[in-house]
Amino acid sequence: DAGVTQSPTHLIKTRGQQVTLRCSPKSGHDTVSWYQQALGQGPQFIFQYYEEEERQRGNFPDRFSGHQFPNYSSELNVNALLLGDSALYLCASSSGQDYYGYTFGSGTRLTVV
Amino acid sequence: GNSVTQMEGPVTLSEEAFLTINCTYTATGYPSLFWYVQYPGEGLQLLLKATKADDKGSNKGFEATYRKETTSFHLEKGSVQVSDSAVYFCALNDYKLSFGAGTTVTVRA
Repeated sequence: DAGVTQSPTHLIKTRGQQVTLRCSPKSGHDTVSWYQQALGQGPQFIFQYYEEEERQRGNFPDRFSGHQFPNYSSELNVNALLLGDSALYLCASSSGQDYYGYTFGSGTRLTVV
Repeated sequence: GNSVTQMEGPVTLSEEAFLTINCTYTATGYPSLFWYVQYPGEGLQLLLKATKADDKGSNKGFEATYRKETTSFHLEKGSVQVSDSAVYFCALNDYKLSFGAGTTVTVRA
């Protein structure tokens, strides 16, 4: 049973560029949440998608946007990259209203130069 | 808003020593509480959870009790192994996970 799959694993981008990160949830899960983990810090909630709509959003600027597809997979897009966007981006999947069963992927390491 | 504060590290222990990592929370209502572990180069793995006051979560020799009176959820293990070396995160769930800053634990043989 595949867990949460994220791609790519590593990425290097230049300031001002745009990036798209991808996440496939665990089989049977329909909700996807994205987190940003800066080096040496705890993960910070970006947003959550359920039924192809953004259900909740953390304190992140509009440069951060997302999408969920009918097969429950999700994308995180970041525009106008800043050096401070360098971080590990984690995707977590869960099932509907089950807030206890989050499964995390291994993350995408984004470096902005 | 809801938040979690956990003991700062790093923590360095010898094998078979007793481990405690303190975690306190601020929340409206009674959120579920979690401990996650992150090994180098990996994502987060759920270690244990408690969904209501006085619940004790346990897994792999780790334990934590949801204390409403002290708003705490301290993680303990009686005898650590080298393989327990990792970063540990306390978190609460109020429809999203809010994490502490993490505590790096290194266990020496």
